[in-house]
Amino acid sequence: NAGVMQNPRHLVRRRGQEARLRCSPMKGHSHVYWYRQLPEEGLKFMVYLQKENIIDESGMPKERFSAEFPKEGPSILRIQQVVRGDSAAYFCASSRGEGDEAFFGQGTRLTVV
Amino acid sequence: SQKIEQNSEALNIQEGKTATLTCNYTNYSPAYLQWYRQDPGRGPVFLLLIRENEKEKRKERLKVTFDTTLKQSLFHITASQPADSATYLCARSPQDNFNKFYFGSGTKLNVKP
Repeated sequence: NAGVMQNPRHLVRRRGQEARLRCSPMKGHSHVYWYRQLPEEGLKFMVYLQKENIIDESGMPKERFSAEFPKEGPSILRIQQVVRGDSAAYFCASSRGEGDEAFFGQGTRLTVV
Repeated sequence: SQKIEQNSEALNIQEGKTATLTCNYTNYSPAYLQWYRQDPGRGPVFLLLIRENEKEKRKERLKVTFDTTLKQSLFHITASQPADSATYLCARSPQDNFNKFYFGSGTKLNVKP
């Protein structure tokens, strides 16, 4: 059973471009969480999704950021018109159910140049 | 706001000694406190969870305590080894969303041989 898979591991984008981060949860997991870790800071909750539904997006910036978890395929975190301040490590976690242990992926390190 | 704080200074100890890491929280008592380990360039790995009505949890060389009077959790690693060197994250989560973590910024542990 493979763990939570995130790709790409490293992503470089120029200011103004779009960044797409993918997360494939563990087999049998239907709950996905996205977190952002800025340099020298702790992880900050962004969004919680179940298949085809956004459950809690209270940590998502109001503009330029969106997330989805379609019926088929990975969860996608999309950042439009990236700025330098978006440079961070983005982690995805998945769990089988709401009260079950969450497992984290290795993260995607986004660098905006 | 509900803060969770960890000592930002690195903890340096000698191999074989017990490492004790501190996590303090403000305002209300979290339903769950979880401890994670994070190695450089990797995602967090779950270690232990303690509920608000529990005082202590153990797992092999690890022990977590939860003092709701002091608003504090202590994380102990006994008989520490150089392989225990990593950053340790404390996270709280509310009753209604188990995996919506509010992480501390982590404490780096260095175990010297």
